[in-house]
Amino acid sequence: AQSVSQHNHHVILSEAASLELGCNYSYGGTVNLFWYVQYPGQHLQLLLKYFSGDPLVKGIKGFEAEFIKSKFSFNLRKPSVQWSDTAEYFCAVNEGTGTASKLTFGTGTRLQVTL
Amino acid sequence: EAQVTQNPRYLITVTGKKLTVTCSQNMNHEYMSWYRQDPGLGLRQIYYSMNVEVTDKGDVPEGYKVSRKEKRNFPLILESPSPNQTSLYFCASTPDYYTDTQYFGPGTRLTVL
Repeated sequence: AQSVSQHNHHVILSEAASLELGCNYSYGGTVNLFWYVQYPGQHLQLLLKYFSGDPLVKGIKGFEAEFIKSKFSFNLRKPSVQWSDTAEYFCAVNEGTGTASKLTFGTGTRLQVTL
Repeated sequence: EAQVTQNPRYLITVTGKKLTVTCSQNMNHEYMSWYRQDPGLGLRQIYYSMNVEVTDKGDVPEGYKVSRKEKRNFPLILESPSPNQTSLYFCASTPDYYTDTQYFGPGTRLTVL
């Protein structure tokens, strides 16, 4: 079965620090990759997604992620975090095979940005 | 406004008392899902539906039922809730399951005593 690993469970950064959150998945075939964000008290919303083309994907609020197929990774980055980026971040993967499959989420990374 | 709505938002109940959490979307999406979110476990899919009358199990379907009689609605039914079903539940919909964004509802926080 597909699995998604987010090794950083809780990250604390100062404002303006750079961010990289790791995401690794287990499926060896074609995949579609997503990062979702959950701000405190709010529901999940899409940050960015990749399903084909340029492996460097840019999302909202200055976030980007790079798909490295050989490493089964889709790490999220931001050059300079803001206090408002405090949230929980979830990586998600589904198998892009065209048949019924399910979206598998990682366990999430809680990001705390201090002033 | 395009949205996914869930009701109730908060629910405290007792073991064994049947309950239904409703989910409705106004975007004409074919695909809908239910997830539960637990600390340290992230989101786990309970059930999903590819279309009306088409549903399938996700990762953690035990103790839950769903139905999809209309495209817009996808209720989650707990026939006999137990304390281990205390969780935060999210409904989601998407026009294209494989490549498109999932639109999440606001969540339902369920406590089973």
